[in-house]
This record gives sequence, structure tokens and C-alpha cells, in this order.
Amino acid sequence: LAKTTQPISMDSYEGQEVNITCSHNNIATNDYITWYQQFPSQGPRFIIQGYKTKVTNEVASLFIPADRKSSTLSLPRVSLSDTAVYYCLASASSGNTPLVFGKGTRLSVIA
Amino acid sequence: DAGVIQSPRHEVTEMGQEVTLRCKPISGHDYLFWYRQTMMRGLELLIYFNNNVPIDDSGMPEDRFSAKMPNASFSTLKIQPSEPRDSAVYFCASSPSGLAGGRAVKEQYFGPGTRLTVT
Repeated sequence: LAKTTQPISMDSYEGQEVNITCSHNNIATNDYITWYQQFPSQGPRFIIQGYKTKVTNEVASLFIPADRKSSTLSLPRVSLSDTAVYYCLASASSGNTPLVFGKGTRLSVIA
Repeated sequence: DAGVIQSPRHEVTEMGQEVTLRCKPISGHDYLFWYRQTMMRGLELLIYFNNNVPIDDSGMPEDRFSAKMPNASFSTLKIQPSEPRDSAVYFCASSPSGLAGGRAVKEQYFGPGTRLTVT
């Protein structure tokens, strides 16, 4: 399982785009990059997963450069309800194998 | 589907008592995971099952912890005897087999957690 590094915390104002970068220098060929979101007093929730280039869904976009040593989670026009901890994981899959969570990035959205 | 169900949501017990945490995975999911979260150690895996069979229990802290999955719709995590350092939030998660549906994206679905306080 590749080790990931991400900022401990970030602040943003409502309506801004937030980009959280994750470093995974030792990512393996068959590893996917997966992001989870955790609100206080709740379990983590899957946001998005990708292998390379760009993935977009209704919640976020995930940008992965060609070398795959880093990735960026982009949250468009954040609101107060996006205040949460965001975890970046690199693993063979996120379903059938245990997830190894780091410290995550605590995002605080300010009005 | 109601999602992953855990009970109780909160448990306060005294040191030395037995604690049993319960989990009902999402119907049709054949992987079940138990995680523990503390401020100091973050989220860490304790044990996981595939088709009711324990696959990896290397994360179980010590013999005081045990987990069972008697059928596809129920699992328990037991701590006996409990100690104050066991205080944490315990999460259960489930996921479908990668062989079903052929989806490239696989995700784990977490329950709301059980907040355990051992005094």
C-alpha cells in the first residue's frame, strides 16, 4: 500500500473552489487513487476514485498527472456543509481490500 | 437499502466489563470490515471478513478482542475485559465483491459507528 501525504488542514471561504493535493510517490502500477470524506460523528464516505487523467462526478473532480505520483481533489464552489476531513488513499482497490487511512486533510469552510 | 447498521450508537461501560458491538452489512455485500478511530491513531483496521470467513485479523490489538460473523447479515466485535484505552469510535463497513457487476470502482460503505467509552 502506497504511503500518501496531504496537508493537515485547509481553510476556504464559501463559494470558492478548493483543491487538495495528495502525494503518493511510491504508488504501484495497479493502485487506484481514492478519496473519502468524513463528517464529524459519521463514518467515512466514498467521494471519487481514479487511475489516471481526470475523473469527474457530481461531487468532485480528481486530477491525476501522467506520472501518478500525486493527485488533486477539486471541490467546486464549496459550502459550509463541505467542512469535513478528506482522506486520500492509494490501493489496489477500495472495495475488497482494507483501507489504510492517513491523517487526512481537515477542510474548514468559512462563511 | 438502509445502509450499514451498527448498534449501539453509544456505549459507556466500566473497566473489566464485556462489550459487544453489532453490525448489519448492506444486503448482498460479501466483505465486512471493522475499523477503530481515535484521535491519536486515526482510523485503523481491526479485522475483515469475506463470505463470513475472517481473512485478516492482524489488526486486532490483543486477545481481549474477538470478532465473529455467523451469517451474511450479522457480525459482532467483542471486547472482554474492556479497558479505558479501548475507548474509541468503532466503525463497521461493507463492500460488494469485485467479481460482481464488473465495476472498476469499488467502494466501502461505512456505518455510523459506535462510540465506546470505558471508564
